[in-house]
Amino acid sequence: GAVVSQHPSRVICKSGTSVKIECRSLDFQATTMFWYRQFPKQSLMLMATSNEGSKATYEQGVEKDKFLINHASLTLSTLTVTSAHPEDSSFYICSAGPRGSYEQYFGPGTRLTVT
Amino acid sequence: GDSVTQMEGPVTLSEEAFLTINCTYTATGYPSLFWYVQYPGEGLQLLLKATKADDKGSNKGFEATYRKETTSFHLEKGSVQVSDSAVYFCALRKSNFGNEKLTFGTGTRLTIIP
Repeated sequence: GAVVSQHPSRVICKSGTSVKIECRSLDFQATTMFWYRQFPKQSLMLMATSNEGSKATYEQGVEKDKFLINHASLTLSTLTVTSAHPEDSSFYICSAGPRGSYEQYFGPGTRLTVT
Repeated sequence: GDSVTQMEGPVTLSEEAFLTINCTYTATGYPSLFWYVQYPGEGLQLLLKATKADDKGSNKGFEATYRKETTSFHLEKGSVQVSDSAVYFCALRKSNFGNEKLTFGTGTRLTIIP
């Protein structure tokens, strides 16, 4: 099946700094990618829908100025957590579906720890 | 809005026991329904899916039937193994296309003991 990668898999940063997470579709083009956040022992919460070549669509309650999303190409979306704080520590997961396909594939996730 | 309600865990079973994880949904129209599995330290993997009423999805011995009359998609397996220990997520999607967002249940942690 199709592969979605994320980088880095783990990152530790200091409070107040920014961190960028990449999501790549390795063998297909994705006009749409999704960013989820997963708290310990909880479900995935959709943060935003990343659209290639246009602005992301954020879910209610998600700060778009804090979680910057850029979908610059058909195979890459980035999530930048700006001015990170300890409460931003979480597991961030992206997903993407090939254009015209039924399937949606998930990346392995990025664990962010803000100290 | 759309929502998925899933059986709360954790669930602990002995090997070879019968498994049922309940899932019900609320949505307008005719959503597609999914079960995803997350093994320890890994990302989500699609386990099975059903796209219309009365469809049965199956994979690796797991089954789930799309029941529109009860708005349910319960996951079952006749004989679980230790390797089935994971977190299971029920999810729905409004369309058949991969570029539409998924709505997830809260997840059920399953532990199988030898």
